[in-house]
Amino acid sequence: AQKITQTQPGMFVQEKEAVTLDCTYDTSDPSYGLFWYKQPSSGEMIFLIYQGSYDQQNATEGRYSLNFQKARKSANLVISASQLGDSAMYFCAMRRTPPGNTGKLIFGQGTTLQVKP
Amino acid sequence: DSGVTQTPKHLITATGQRVTLRCSPRSGDLSVYWYQQSLDQGLQFLIQYYNGEERAKGNILERFSAQQFPDLHSELNLSSLELGDSALYFCASSVLGYNEQFFGPGTRLTVL
Repeated sequence: AQKITQTQPGMFVQEKEAVTLDCTYDTSDPSYGLFWYKQPSSGEMIFLIYQGSYDQQNATEGRYSLNFQKARKSANLVISASQLGDSAMYFCAMRRTPPGNTGKLIFGQGTTLQVKP
Repeated sequence: DSGVTQTPKHLITATGQRVTLRCSPRSGDLSVYWYQQSLDQGLQFLIQYYNGEERAKGNILERFSAQQFPDLHSELNLSSLELGDSALYFCASSVLGYNEQFFGPGTRLTVL
């Protein structure tokens, strides 16, 4: 069975500093995708970044990068130069890539990030 | 704005009632997913439709049903509501079945 684990319920970071949010996953599938979503207090889910299991390079999107260590089954999100607007809940998610058009996401428990001014 | 719309934004109803949540995917997206977010269960996948057909089912209760219409909008029907059904219900869409999913703003359901 697939599982995502986020061990940090809450994190604090000083504005303008970098922060790493941890995510480990468990799957026996050879092919899968890993995602990070941000959920501000307003409730919407915002897609941040995607990493495919066969991607050779770590994904980056602006200030977000994904530190993908396949052998350790970890997919940590790194946010550089934190901003006050980064304060939110962050979810790591995984989906299989089976044949056919199925792609349900399995989510971790989330990490609440608070950025201090 | 993800381009996915959900109505209503908030819904307050009583136990035993039936409600319908509506979702319109992003233009061009064929897949629609429904997720439930609650404090005790976290974010859980309920069901997926692709181009009108059911593709995957998660921990969706028998009291819940969904469908995707020819214009690709989707509805999630929740019946015989219980207090424990109170949650934030998200719809998400993607172009195919396994690209990144874009979420709507959610419908917050409160069952009293």
